[in-house]
Amino acid sequence: SAVISQKPSRDICQRGTSLTIQCQVDSQVTMMFWYRQQPGQSLTLIATANQGSEATYESGFVIDKFPISRPNLTFSTLTVSNMSPEDSSIYLCSVYSTGELFFGEGSRLTVL
Amino acid sequence: DQQVKQNSPSLSVQEGRISILNCDYTNSMFDYFLWYKKYPAEGPTFLISISSIKDKNEDGRFTVFLNKSAKHLSLHIVPSQPGDSAVYFCAASGAGGTSYGKLTFGQGTILTVHP
Repeated sequence: SAVISQKPSRDICQRGTSLTIQCQVDSQVTMMFWYRQQPGQSLTLIATANQGSEATYESGFVIDKFPISRPNLTFSTLTVSNMSPEDSSIYLCSVYSTGELFFGEGSRLTVL
Repeated sequence: DQQVKQNSPSLSVQEGRISILNCDYTNSMFDYFLWYKKYPAEGPTFLISISSIKDKNEDGRFTVFLNKSAKHLSLHIVPSQPGDSAVYFCAASGAGGTSYGKLTFGQGTILTVHP
């Protein structure tokens, strides 16, 4: 299994600002992912965080809005840029390890 | 386009009885299906999965059934316990299972098990 820590666990942000979410894993993993869960919605994959190269974004998500870093095999960050109230969501880091997909506890962002 | 649908937002069951959570999908390329459980303020945790080559997978009190022709799967919990109260997400992926991390999730069903 993998233990995933996310920071911050929650935050209240002002419109137009940016916030960076950190994800730390207790072991080296090849595959790291970022998901979003908007209020009342299902979890949606934002992007795959690739170590040593640019992230791979899913349809509807772009690097300018959600820049991702992956400096090593245990750490990644997701930035939510120029936030609007529509970005109020839970953002979850996940990793593939030992045959399964594990999730962090999520970062709940509220944009006013 | 919601490719994985959980049409029941909530389910209430008496302790000791069976809980049945349902999930429908539209993408015939999905070949691996999972159920996740999520408690408040925690991330989803893996519960049970099934490959498309099977129609049933059992793990203790949890059984998942897959009906490929109907594009339908269900999760049975028996007997239900109050600690099972959580949000249950159905998820699906294409070839390679979860190794690519690209799971398509349903909206979730809130299960409440009453003592």
